[in-house]
Amino acid sequence: LAKTTQPISMDSYEGQEVNITCSHNNIATNDYITWYQQFPSQGPRFIIQGYKTKVTNEVASLFIPADRKSSTLSLPRVSLSDTAVYYCLVGDENTGKLIFGQGTTLQVKP
Amino acid sequence: ETGVTQTPRHLVMGMTNKKSLKCEQHLGHNAMYWYKQSAKKPLELMFVYNFKEQTENNSVPSRFSPECPNSSHLFLHLHTLQPEDSALYLCASSPSEGVGYEQFFGPGTRLTVL
Repeated sequence: LAKTTQPISMDSYEGQEVNITCSHNNIATNDYITWYQQFPSQGPRFIIQGYKTKVTNEVASLFIPADRKSSTLSLPRVSLSDTAVYYCLVGDENTGKLIFGQGTTLQVKP
Repeated sequence: ETGVTQTPRHLVMGMTNKKSLKCEQHLGHNAMYWYKQSAKKPLELMFVYNFKEQTENNSVPSRFSPECPNSSHLFLHLHTLQPEDSALYLCASSPSEGVGYEQFFGPGTRLTVL
């Protein structure tokens, strides 16, 4: 199965840019890479999705290298409300199963 | 409000009880998912239904029994659970099955097995 690896936790300060990387070997060739955000006592919420190179929306950017074995979620100028757990989601090349990363807990400090 | 509702929000049950979790989506989606989220563990995909047909069962013990009577409703029937089954159970839906489709999650049911 595809194995996804993310840092367990990260700390940042308000106004800084935060980059969270997910390593995902054996990712399905034709599948997207998706990132979700989860606040306590809530279900995860979609942030951004991409297939290759760079994708940007109103809340984040996603950088994907050519080999697609990793992806980096970039949050510009974080605020206290960005404190949450961030998950990457990929599909496994062999089984097609959906594989969530173990999640990165981001703590934004004032 | 994501358009996916789950009931109950909290459930405490003994190991000999039988209970059911309910999920309903008002988004017109065709795929629905059950996930288990334990403390300090990643999201574990349990079951996937696409157009009411089960397409994935990730080696889930038979004491968990899913049911999808139509594309808008998904149930998880629970019987003779173990304390280690205590977790947050999340339901999600998407337009169809696959990573490329955004999943919309419900708020979850916090289950405690005594």
